[in-house]
Amino acid sequence: KNQVEQSPQSLIILEGKNCTLQCNYTVSPFSNLRWYKQDTGRGPVSLTIMTFSENTKSNGRYTATLDADTKQSSLHITASQLSDSASYICVVSRHNTNAGKSTFGDGTTLTVKP
Amino acid sequence: NAGVTQTPKFQVLKTGQSMTLQCAQDMNHNSMYWYRQDPGMGLRLIYYSASEGTTDKGEVPNGYNVSRLNKREFSLRLESAAPSQTSVYFCASSEAGRPYNEQFFGPGTRLTVL
Repeated sequence: KNQVEQSPQSLIILEGKNCTLQCNYTVSPFSNLRWYKQDTGRGPVSLTIMTFSENTKSNGRYTATLDADTKQSSLHITASQLSDSASYICVVSRHNTNAGKSTFGDGTTLTVKP
Repeated sequence: NAGVTQTPKFQVLKTGQSMTLQCAQDMNHNSMYWYRQDPGMGLRLIYYSASEGTTDKGEVPNGYNVSRLNKREFSLRLESAAPSQTSVYFCASSEAGRPYNEQFFGPGTRLTVL
């Protein structure tokens, strides 16, 4: 069964600190992995997209890594800000399928405190 | 560009009532999707439309119907609402080939069924 597992389920950090969120998947054959940020009461917004050949991609203070061999990805947030408080969702798509067949993780809820 | 818009933003129904959730996108995308998101859970695909004139069931289609009215609009109908359908509903759209089917989400409709 194609699955995406995210950890931790929730995380609280102090403003200015770094953190790393994890995503493990069993989706096969792999096409791409995306990280979304979902603010409370809003729809998800894409942060990064990585394909099989990419092992790291950055978007400002967000850096995603991908190890396609171990089927693991991480999202590292540097120098956290209060506005980083949100749910972060890992989404994995299978090769040669419509995006409607993407598998979503349950998300990690990040709270950044002053 | 407004992106993906959804109406209404909030709705309260009584068990057995019917309603239609509306979604429109102005990005000329071919594919559109309907998801539901329950507290503490990931997004689950209800139905999707890979292109105008086609619709397919997703992970949780029971109790819902959809209509791809034209390329811009994709509606979700609840014929006889049940308390189990209390959720936040998100519409999304994507274009095949554009950053590997990156999905753009609407702001969501918060539905409560009493």
